[in-house]
Amino acid sequence: AQTVTQSQPEMSVQEAETVTLSCTYDTSESDYYLFWYKQPPSRQMILVIRQEAYKQQNATENRFSVNFQKAAKSFSLKISDSQLGDAAMYFCAFTAGGTSYGKLTFGQGTILTVHP
Amino acid sequence: NAGVTQTPKFRILKIGQSMTLQCTQDMNHNYMYWYRQDPGMGLKLIYYSVGAGITDKGEVPNGYNVSRSTTEDFPLRLELAAPSQTSVYFCASTSLDRAEYSNQPQHFGDGTRLSIL
Repeated sequence: AQTVTQSQPEMSVQEAETVTLSCTYDTSESDYYLFWYKQPPSRQMILVIRQEAYKQQNATENRFSVNFQKAAKSFSLKISDSQLGDAAMYFCAFTAGGTSYGKLTFGQGTILTVHP
Repeated sequence: NAGVTQTPKFRILKIGQSMTLQCTQDMNHNYMYWYRQDPGMGLKLIYYSVGAGITDKGEVPNGYNVSRSTTEDFPLRLELAAPSQTSVYFCASTSLDRAEYSNQPQHFGDGTRLSIL
């Protein structure tokens, strides 16, 4: 079974600054995907960024980037130039390939506060 | 294209009552899922389905039942509501096509907030 751990229940950042959210995972799978989801108060689940395990290059989506350390089983999210609209709960999530395709395992979440 | 639609959005139940949470998707996805999210926590998988007529348990299936008679619909049934089932419930669907999956791993509904008193 897979586990996903987010050790930071809450984080805060000043507007325009950079913040990094941490995530570690445990798996014996070799084929898997990792994701960061954003959940604003509206409770929508919004995909922020994804990383395929077989890709060595870290994923980047505009102001969002990840630091994927496969050997350490670490998957952190960096938000640059933070904006007030980035304030939300952020979840790290894992899914294996093969027969477990699509079954997401989520971390506990990190509440991000952005100060003006 | 509506995506994944969940009804109702809110519901209050009394202990021991039963109800069905509805979920339908119009993307012809084979894979569908039910998750629950307790306050301040991440989502946990209740049940999933890989196609019509095929369902399987996730991490927290106790107290729930599902059925999948069509590709579009995946209802979640609570038979005897208990306070521990107070939660927000999300339905999601996924394409089998890996290229599409890589771009958008899961399509989530907007959730159903369920309170059991």
